[in-house]
Order: sequence, then structure tokens, then C-alpha cells
Amino acid sequence: DIVMTQSPDSLAVSPGERATINCKSSQSVLYSSNNKNDLAWYQQKPGQPPKLLIYWASSRESGVPDRFSGSGSGTDFTLTISSLQAEDVAVYYCQQHHDTPWTFGQGTKVEIK
Amino acid sequence: EVQLVESGGGLAQPGRSLRLSCKTSGLSFGDNAMSWLRQAPGKGLEWLGFIRSKTYGGAAEYAASVKGRFNISWDDSKTIAYLQMSSLKTDDTAVYYCALGALWFDPWGQGTLVTVSS
Repeated sequence: DIVMTQSPDSLAVSPGERATINCKSSQSVLYSSNNKNDLAWYQQKPGQPPKLLIYWASSRESGVPDRFSGSGSGTDFTLTISSLQAEDVAVYYCQQHHDTPWTFGQGTKVEIK
Repeated sequence: EVQLVESGGGLAQPGRSLRLSCKTSGLSFGDNAMSWLRQAPGKGLEWLGFIRSKTYGGAAEYAASVKGRFNISWDDSKTIAYLQMSSLKTDDTAVYYCALGALWFDPWGQGTLVTVSS
């Protein structure tokens, strides 16, 4: 199974500041046929189901604010919140869909400082 | 707007079976894959499996942890997807979500809690 490791486990950021979450896969998730990375990011607020933010590592889902961006390739990926808002307090997960079983990172909790 | 609503959760004894339902609305039934995932209390997310759309044959794939115990199916006439769970273990205690898609998941239902305990 592909192991997804996120860092840090938690972070506190001041409103308006940048938040950066890292995700590392135990093997490359680059799909050679289309040169896209099989990596998605989700946001889960307390008491709610996860919400898709990013797919193909850097494609923002419709309706997701543009302060959320994804980057990276191969085994190393980053989710960036460019200017943290109070409503962004949540746990964020990365997920690979390169090889079954699809697997998730352990989650990164983002809080307001 | 696509909506998914799970039901069927509750308390089950170890070794027993339970069937969860995922009622869909707002989508072209038969053109979408459906996945099931779970989240143990206070824990992260675990993918359980997905069923392909009828257009792509309707076959399912499962995580090794549930293969042979869990079965995902469609009921076309009721626009419902099912997760049949058998030989339940205490480790199966979790909130179970259905979610649209086979590779990434959007949207998700609100989830239904399954507690396996004697």
C-alpha cells in the first residue's frame, strides 16, 4: 500500500497569514499516461464530512476559494492557504488514487493563532 | 445539486451483518461511480471500495481490509447504492460515508454511525 505522510500534524496560523501543509507519498503517484499526479486534498470541518478542495494535485474544485492551491509532483505535495480565514479552521487530508487501496494522510489540523 | 444521504447505521453485535444505504438525488444515476469510506471515532479516513457506473460495467473494487466481508451494489430503480457488511468486528466501528466518484470523492454524504459492540 502507498503510505501518505502529512506534516505537520497541526499548525496555528494568524489570520491573513499563509498556511502550508505537506504530504509525502511512499512511492510516486505520477500517472505517466497523462503526466498528472493522482493526488487530492480535502477539508473536514468539525462534525462535517470531508469536502474536496483539489484534485490532480493542483486543480481546484469548482467553488473552492482561490486562496487554496495545490502543488508538487511525484512524491512530494503541498497544500497552501495563502491568507488564512477563520472559516478555514479544519483538518486537511491528502489522498492518493494511484494504486488501490486508495490511501489518505493522517490529517493536519489547522487552527487560528 | 447532487445530494447523498446515508442510512442504516446503528448498533450491531460482532459477527452480525448490517446494510447501509446511500440515497442519491440530483445526478444521472448510472453515469457515476460511488465509493464508500469510513472514519473511526477521532481517527482519519479509510477507503473501503467503489462500484463503477453501469456505463463502465458496474464492477466493484475493495480494500483488502474488507474484501470478502463487504459488498457494494446499486439499486437502479431506487437510485440507491448499498454497502452490505457481514462478519462485523469491533474495529468496524466508525462513521460510514458514501461519496460520488471512484478516484476522488465529491460530494460526500453526511455519514451514518455504525457501532459494533456486544
